[in-house]
Amino acid sequence: NAGVTQTPKFQVLKTGQSMTLQCAQDMNHEYMSWYRQDPGMGLRLIHYSVGAGITDQGEVPNGYNVSRSTTEDFPLRLLSAAPSQTSVYFCASRGLEGAKSEAFFGQGTRLTVV
Amino acid sequence: KQEVTQIPAALSVPEGENLVLNCSFTDSAIYNLQWFRQDPGKGLTSLLLIQSSQREQTSGRLNASLDKSSGRSTLYIAASQPGDSATYLCVTFQGAQKLVFGQGTRLTINP
Repeated sequence: NAGVTQTPKFQVLKTGQSMTLQCAQDMNHEYMSWYRQDPGMGLRLIHYSVGAGITDQGEVPNGYNVSRSTTEDFPLRLLSAAPSQTSVYFCASRGLEGAKSEAFFGQGTRLTVV
Repeated sequence: KQEVTQIPAALSVPEGENLVLNCSFTDSAIYNLQWFRQDPGKGLTSLLLIQSSQREQTSGRLNASLDKSSGRSTLYIAASQPGDSATYLCVTFQGAQKLVFGQGTRLTINP
């Protein structure tokens, strides 16, 4: 049982480049979400999904796109990287009811935009 | 709007002590409350989940309680060890709603 798997762990981008952060879970969770964590800011919600084909914006969605074509995968796309997107990104998943609602996080992607 | 507060922001204790971390929340109609730890440069590791119908959960040296009437949860750590040093986060959520995080308590256990 792998839990929540994020790739890559580290990435350096030049301003204006695009890339996709991958997130996969093997727990058949309905709810998946992306956060960024910056010093002194806590975790801020970027986008989330409550099931395949359904996505919605969080607190800081600008500059990011998501899609949910399968239950397992929830990739985050940076359209045109900016230095302000330098951060640590975390993917999380959970079920919606009962004990399956325990949330699990990936190990994070440390992104630097130069 | 749910707000979660953790006090203290930082705590330093000698090894072997029993300690309590506090979490308070404003909306008592929460669904779940979950405690995580985060080590520097690492992801969040789930410690304990307390569902809305439960009052406490235990895992090894950890015990978490939930009192919805007072809007409080506590995480009790018995016989603390240097390896317990981390930031501890309290998180509430309901159904398909987003997770609401406290700001965390940075715990240091001194050998």
